[in-house]
Amino acid sequence: EDKVVQSPLSLVVHEGDTVTLNCSYEVTNFRSLLWYKQEKKAPTFLFMLTSSGIEKKSGRLSSILDKKELFSILNITATQTGDSAVYLCAVDNAGGTSYGKLTFGQGTILTVHP
Amino acid sequence: EAGVTQSPTHLIKTRGQQATLRCSPISGHTSVYWYQQALGLGLQFLLWYDEGEERNRGNFPPRFSGRQFPNYSSELNVNALELEDSALYLCASSFTRNIQYFGAGTRLSVL
Repeated sequence: EDKVVQSPLSLVVHEGDTVTLNCSYEVTNFRSLLWYKQEKKAPTFLFMLTSSGIEKKSGRLSSILDKKELFSILNITATQTGDSAVYLCAVDNAGGTSYGKLTFGQGTILTVHP
Repeated sequence: EAGVTQSPTHLIKTRGQQATLRCSPISGHTSVYWYQQALGLGLQFLLWYDEGEERNRGNFPPRFSGRQFPNYSSELNVNALELEDSALYLCASSFTRNIQYFGAGTRLSVL
């Protein structure tokens, strides 16, 4: 069965700090890895990663995938209170019984204090 | 451009009743996905509809069912509600098998 594990489960930092969120996975037919940010209800899309070693960047957020070691990291630099949220990692499966579904990790709760 | 819209925002039911949740995908998206997010648990995949057909379902009992209409909107029906069905139900849509974009969810409370 597909499995996604995120660490840490929670993180408390101060504004201006840099954080690194981790996501490891085991899937039978890897298609892509996605990161979402969930503040109140709707998870909002951040990144989709399909190839190893290619960094995706958006402002202060960046992410990279390692398909050999089966993990991804999400970096947030110069954190702000608005970055406080649950960050979700999900893996998209290319086939088999998991076809079409995203398998999510437990999420990392990030709290940024002023 | 409108995002994924779900209704109602909140739904309160009692055990044994039926609940119907609705989802309108982003314009142009043909696939709709349903997920359950129970307290303390991650998002669990429920159902995937594409072009009006059920393409896959997660490990949920048959009392969780749904359908997709010709305009690609979707309904999730939960029959014989149980207390543990209380959760946030999230709908997502995508164009074919691309990035899934989520709605704000329906909070279902079963008393």
